[in-house]
Amino acid sequence: GAVVSQHPSRVICKSGTSVKIECRSLDFQATTMFWYRQFPKQSLMLMATSNEGSKATYEQGVEKDKFLINHASLTLSTLTVTSAHPEDSSFYICSASRSSNEQFFGPGTRLTVL
Amino acid sequence: QKEVEQNSGPLSVPEGAIASLNCTYSDRGSQSFFWYRQYSGKSPELIMFIYSNGDKEDGRFTAQLNKASQYVSLLIRDSQPSDSATYLCAVPKGVNRDDKIIFGKGTRLHILP
Repeated sequence: GAVVSQHPSRVICKSGTSVKIECRSLDFQATTMFWYRQFPKQSLMLMATSNEGSKATYEQGVEKDKFLINHASLTLSTLTVTSAHPEDSSFYICSASRSSNEQFFGPGTRLTVL
Repeated sequence: QKEVEQNSGPLSVPEGAIASLNCTYSDRGSQSFFWYRQYSGKSPELIMFIYSNGDKEDGRFTAQLNKASQYVSLLIRDSQPSDSATYLCAVPKGVNRDDKIIFGKGTRLHILP
């Protein structure tokens, strides 16, 4: 397999603040990473595809100005939730592919907005 | 028709029995198929992948693919309580590493001790 890490694993913030989540591929280079969101007892929802050196591709219904994605290097993508609100509280998970189309997931970041 | 469909469950199976999880997909051109396991509160973990028609075995897990019927299944033999999780069927949109994957909603499996 391939190792993908996320930081932080858990974050609690006040409404209106911004939160940055990091996703790193530890033992391989990832030109593409994926960001998902999962609400309790619901399925994974793809938010966006993060491409190294270019703009992210957002899924329909995902606000690109609210969920800022930066893929500045071949091992790091960041997701910033801007002006977070309680409805943004969710489990955010990133994934990456090492060589083929098998995606390996990071451990996830649980965001709670008060 | 949804792209990847699974019965949400819960599927209850006695310990030691065979658990059978099913998935259908709509894109006839799909070439690869994955099964992920997700424990409550954790992220998904890739447990099996299959590309060719027929069966693929890995330990207690067997993936079965029937492209004509657009059907993929996962069998878990000698089920253990630790197998209790949600199992996600996943179908990539292409064969490249930057192709997104379409996930089913998952089937919750509960192994009864």
